[in-house]
Amino acid sequence: DAKTTQPPSMDCAEGRAANLPCNHSTISGNEYVYWYRQIHSQGPQYIIHGLKNNETNEMASLIITEDRKSSTLILPHATLRDTAVYYCIDKSNFGNEKLTFGTGTRLTIIP
Amino acid sequence: DAGVIQSPRHEVTEMGQEVTLRCKPISGHNSLFWYRQTMMRGLELLIYFNNNVPIDDSGMPEDRFSAKMPNASFSTLKIQPSEPRDSAVYFCASSRSSFRVYNEQFFGPGTRLTVL
Repeated sequence: DAKTTQPPSMDCAEGRAANLPCNHSTISGNEYVYWYRQIHSQGPQYIIHGLKNNETNEMASLIITEDRKSSTLILPHATLRDTAVYYCIDKSNFGNEKLTFGTGTRLTIIP
Repeated sequence: DAGVIQSPRHEVTEMGQEVTLRCKPISGHNSLFWYRQTMMRGLELLIYFNNNVPIDDSGMPEDRFSAKMPNASFSTLKIQPSEPRDSAVYFCASSRSSFRVYNEQFFGPGTRLTVL
């Protein structure tokens, strides 16, 4: 699976949109972009995934650039409970099911 | 749904002792994963099973570690003998997998292991 690059940390004011970037310049054609997050002392939690179209669910939106070399996870109205480490992962939808976690982005929501 | 259940939640043991971590996946899920998280190495996959069969154990550190899945509702991760460097949080996760379709992994609360 391809390697991703994320900023180590970010702050966002409560109630504002949190935009978390991810670079995946070596992503291959059959690899999706997945986002998980890990709130302190808990197991990781799935957020969203996409291939090339933008995706939205009840938790977040995922914007993928046309060349698929980068993406942005958007939390539209961040709350204090969104403080967590956010992981961006490239993964194919077939073959080995393992998730390879990088160091992620530590997002802190400021009251 | 109770989610993925792990036991114990905390384990403190002395070097050289055997440690057994337990996991009950979500009912109906057919893939089970064991991850380890440390400050130094982050979150890394140790082994995963599909339909109770080990598929990828390349992350198992050494022969001191072993994992079993005797049935669809139970798995164990055993460390014998344990060493201080095994201190970490161990997560179990499960998913409902099918060919060419990815399904999210659901993680348990983890077992915090301390080896003195």
